[in-house]
Amino acid sequence: SQQGEEDPQALSIQEGENATMNCSYKTSINNLQWYRQNSGRGLVHLILIRSNEREKHSGRLRVTLDTSKKSSSLLITASRAADTASYFCATDAAGGGNKLTFGTGTQLKVEL
Amino acid sequence: GAVVSQHPSRVICKSGTSVKIECRSLDFQATTMFWYRQFPKQSLMLMATSNEGSKATYEQGVEKDKFLINHASLTLSTLTVTSAHPEDSSFYICSFQGAQGEKLFFGSGTQLSVL
Repeated sequence: SQQGEEDPQALSIQEGENATMNCSYKTSINNLQWYRQNSGRGLVHLILIRSNEREKHSGRLRVTLDTSKKSSSLLITASRAADTASYFCATDAAGGGNKLTFGTGTQLKVEL
Repeated sequence: GAVVSQHPSRVICKSGTSVKIECRSLDFQATTMFWYRQFPKQSLMLMATSNEGSKATYEQGVEKDKFLINHASLTLSTLTVTSAHPEDSSFYICSFQGAQGEKLFFGSGTQLSVL
């Protein structure tokens, strides 16, 4: 399946540190997106990077995309306790009819 | 961003009963909505794609007779879990695509517990 694999599965850091999460996928994509999910809630869209883009920034978020390796990374700089959540990558497969396939997710815990 | 209202947020029911989950887009007309299922600490699995005015398209392995989807209008889609059993206990989330047809806007989810 197209489902992406994310690593690490869980990450625990101290407030102020940077957090890096990685996502790998299997087929050609139109774009890759990152979402955040607080426990027991829906997902919130964070950032979208298109297949012809290599890097994108949004506030404290930095996303990279390497289509040759079929991988992406999400970097959260200067993390805060409020960043504690699960983070999922999602791929919009080329020819997939705009359906998103979600990765396995990284559970981030930011401690004070 | 667009607002999606999903309710109920939590439901507990007895085995054999049916449960209806509603998903409304409050400020956007959504021709396409998606229904996902999520088990604890796992990823979202797409169940079906709901198109306004037509039959839903179900993913492989999802029983269409068990998970009834009705996209009655551009702002409302419902998922009915018929004759629910304990193995149907899960977190169900609806979403729809924004105007550019790329990113998704999600409801807050429904935690279904079948006793």
